Amino acid sequence: DTGVSQNPRHKITKRGQNVTFRCDPISEHNRLYWYRQTLGQGPEFLTYFQNEAQLEKSRLLSDRFSAERPKGSFSTLEIQRTEQGDSAMYLCASSLGRGRGSSPLHFGNGTRLTVT
Amino acid sequence: AQKITQTQPGMFVQEKEAVTLDCTYDTSDQSYGLFWYKQPSSGEMIFLIYQGSYDEQNATEGRYSLNFQKARKSANLVISASQLGDSAMYFCAMRPHRGGNDMRFGAGTRLTVKP
Repeated sequence: DTGVSQNPRHKITKRGQNVTFRCDPISEHNRLYWYRQTLGQGPEFLTYFQNEAQLEKSRLLSDRFSAERPKGSFSTLEIQRTEQGDSAMYLCASSLGRGRGSSPLHFGNGTRLTVT
Repeated sequence: AQKITQTQPGMFVQEKEAVTLDCTYDTSDQSYGLFWYKQPSSGEMIFLIYQGSYDEQNATEGRYSLNFQKARKSANLVISASQLGDSAMYFCAMRPHRGGNDMRFGAGTRLTVKP
């Protein structure tokens, strides 16, 4: 098990372009989370999946953002018509879904997006 | 709504000494979990320690311990015998045991260990 994998590690794009990030969770984890982190801040929750179902979305996730997790395995996060304010580190995490919420999140190394 | 507050933007500690990183939280949930994560300059988020709201004893994991005071809604991280490799950002996080199960993070504390 190699942990949570995110690709690409870095993405530079021009304003107005669309970008897509991929996350491969730990194989036995049924929960998958997306967070956004800007410099000097803690991660901000974006959305969360249990298996293939998207159960919660933050109001931070505007209609330009969409996330999918087909077949409950890997997930993609797409940002359409990128804006400079979208520049951030996008973190993916996964966890086990059993227990009383005591399972920690295991994070990937993130995708750093720069919008020029 | 949940809110996590870390009031110390930066902390310094001498190598081999202990340091306490503060965390307070606000929630209407009765059952929840508290987590601490370490984020070195390389960027990965590393899970350190967990405390459940109904756990009677403070959690410990090696050199990390959690000073949990439920009535005060505080969950301070204590690092004993600091090492140079402990220099990093530290984030406190909370997750309710009900419903959505999303985890919310504080703004973090940057710890610098001095030789």
